[in-house]
Amino acid sequence: NAGVTQTPKFQVLKTGQSMTLQCAQDMNHEYMSWYRQDPGMGLRLIHYSVGAGITDQGEVPNGYNVSRSTTEDFPLRLLSAAPSQTSVYFCASTTRRDRADYEQYFGPGTRLTVT
Amino acid sequence: DAKTTQPTSMDCAEGRAANLPCNHSTISGNEYVYWYRQIHSQGPQYIIHGLKNNETNEMASLIITEDRKSSTLILPHATLRDTAVYYCIVNVPGANSKLTFGKGITLSVRP
Repeated sequence: NAGVTQTPKFQVLKTGQSMTLQCAQDMNHEYMSWYRQDPGMGLRLIHYSVGAGITDQGEVPNGYNVSRSTTEDFPLRLLSAAPSQTSVYFCASTTRRDRADYEQYFGPGTRLTVT
Repeated sequence: DAKTTQPTSMDCAEGRAANLPCNHSTISGNEYVYWYRQIHSQGPQYIIHGLKNNETNEMASLIITEDRKSSTLILPHATLRDTAVYYCIVNVPGANSKLTFGKGITLSVRP
């Protein structure tokens, strides 16, 4: 299994540009999430999905859109990039087991700079 | 409101046990305690979780007090590669797509 993959690894955008951060997992996990991490801070949840066709907002959703058309993919779209969105973005997927306890698997991250 | 509180940092000698404390005095009956770590520039990595019994796996042990208001993550033989930020999180199973990460504790393992 490749686990959770993210592309690109690095990206520089100009203010106002749009782009999509890609996330894919091959573990057949139902739950997927997007987080951002700013320097010296913990991770903050942007959006999450509990299954194909179902998404919801996290702690900091403004400026971002998501969709979940397949179990495997969970892209994050920046509609009009702003310098405040300069951050490291992590995608995660979550196991689901009979005991109702779970663990998250994180991708390697996308480092985004908006100038 | 912070659900957990952790010291900002600690260090330990290589080969010794690292005991990382966490307070979660407002934990509710159906919330689990999870530990993750983040090695510099990488995505967080799951370590262990528990409800009320002590747990052990190949990475670490988790000791939860009887009143569940605090816990300790134990790395039995710390190595330089264990230098990382360790996050203690309480969460309800089924909501793990929405983990709340605080600032964690920075563990530095010295040679």
